Amino acid sequence: QKEVEQDPGPLSVPEGAIVSLNCTYSNSAFQYFMWYRQYSRKGPELLMYTYSSGNKEDGRFTAQVDKSSKYISLFIRDSQPSDSATYLCASFSGAGSYQLTFGKGTKLSVIP
Amino acid sequence: GAVVSQHPSWVICKSGTSVKIECRSLDFQATTMFWYRQFPKQSLMLMATSNEGSKATYEQGVEKDKFLINHASLTLSTLTVTSAHPEDSSFYICSASSGRRGTEAFFGQGTRLTVV
Repeated sequence: QKEVEQDPGPLSVPEGAIVSLNCTYSNSAFQYFMWYRQYSRKGPELLMYTYSSGNKEDGRFTAQVDKSSKYISLFIRDSQPSDSATYLCASFSGAGSYQLTFGKGTKLSVIP
Repeated sequence: GAVVSQHPSWVICKSGTSVKIECRSLDFQATTMFWYRQFPKQSLMLMATSNEGSKATYEQGVEKDKFLINHASLTLSTLTVTSAHPEDSSFYICSASSGRRGTEAFFGQGTRLTVV
């Protein structure tokens, strides 16, 4: 079992929809949870991160972590065509190591 | 955010030749750099971790004699694919961390390698 599982999609939504992207993880040592956005043939770009459980909001994006169920979510409100990309979740323990474990990524298309 | 520059962005080479990919942190000192490989529709797979001035730590299954990593300074790491084979064709991405904020590892734009 991979340490971070993510449904690769693809996921297509109409413009303006609320998007929900999810990951599960198995390593209880993970403390930091990141979401990256990757456009085609580009490197990943950090969107936001959370530490331990809880919510974090940044504009139209909300990251949520539930450590009890080992569930990571990213919500995108009022989705835009420019949000079309692959979204990768990643985690690491932070105990002296910054080695990230990535999910497979979910390809999102926002249709105008 | 911090800038990590990766060069070249794409390269085509013949089988048997070597290719060097550079990763530079432009506005911060990267104590740790990571090299990843990404196949189409797959996640980033960590190949190796390098700390400035020391030997890289390779992940299981990654041939260290084939993928030579040098992290000679706090702003530059290089990955050399030696004796390239068509199976080495992939998207290679580096990331860099200053170590002070491990929550942010900044990625380069990636290098698409095609071996013919």
